[in-house]
Amino acid sequence: AIQMTQSPSSLSASVGDRVTITCRASQGIRNDLGWYQQKPGKAPKLLIYAASSLQSGVPSRFSGSGSGTDFTLTISSLQPEDFATYYCLQDYNYPQTFGQGTKLEIK
Amino acid sequence: EVQLVESGGGLVQPGGSLRLSCAASGFTFSSYAMSWVRQAPGKGLEWVSAISGSGGSTYYADSVKGRFTISRDNSKNTLYLQMNSLRAEDTAVYYCAKAIFGVVIIGAFDIWGQGTMVTVSS
Repeated sequence: AIQMTQSPSSLSASVGDRVTITCRASQGIRNDLGWYQQKPGKAPKLLIYAASSLQSGVPSRFSGSGSGTDFTLTISSLQPEDFATYYCLQDYNYPQTFGQGTKLEIK
Repeated sequence: EVQLVESGGGLVQPGGSLRLSCAASGFTFSSYAMSWVRQAPGKGLEWVSAISGSGGSTYYADSVKGRFTISRDNSKNTLYLQMNSLRAEDTAVYYCAKAIFGVVIIGAFDIWGQGTMVTVSS
């Protein structure tokens, strides 16, 4: 199975900050990667698919980049509603695998 | 409105069985691969199983292979997860999720259900 290594596991930031989360795959996965946001007690929400495509309805301050093994989720200017846990998920092959998650907290 | 609604969760003893259901609406159910994803209390997300739109192909995580069976009834727009030989480590919220694109057998998940809690305990 492909291992997805996500970093950092937690991050403290302030409203207005630029934040970057990374995900590294144990083998090349083309651009078959998505990013999800999860708030406590809620289902995950798709933010980015195909590494860099913004899901409909997601604010443009979210962006994704990368291909092959290294991927990045960037939030250009943090808003209060962005404090949540973020996960990457590879959809290159089965079994699909998630990163360990990054908890984004208010500084 | 595109929607997924899970049901069937509850408390079950170790070694017991449970069947989860996921009722879909608002899209052509048979055109999309579907998956189950779970989240143990306080832990991260874990992909569990997937099934193609036709139901002809199924996939499982090693942690559930041989114990769980995914299936779908396209005439009822419903996805299922039959869980047998349950263990304490299967305790989690179980989500069903829809692949973003039709036809393809794997993809990102654009629609998620609200989740159903499964607790395995004596």
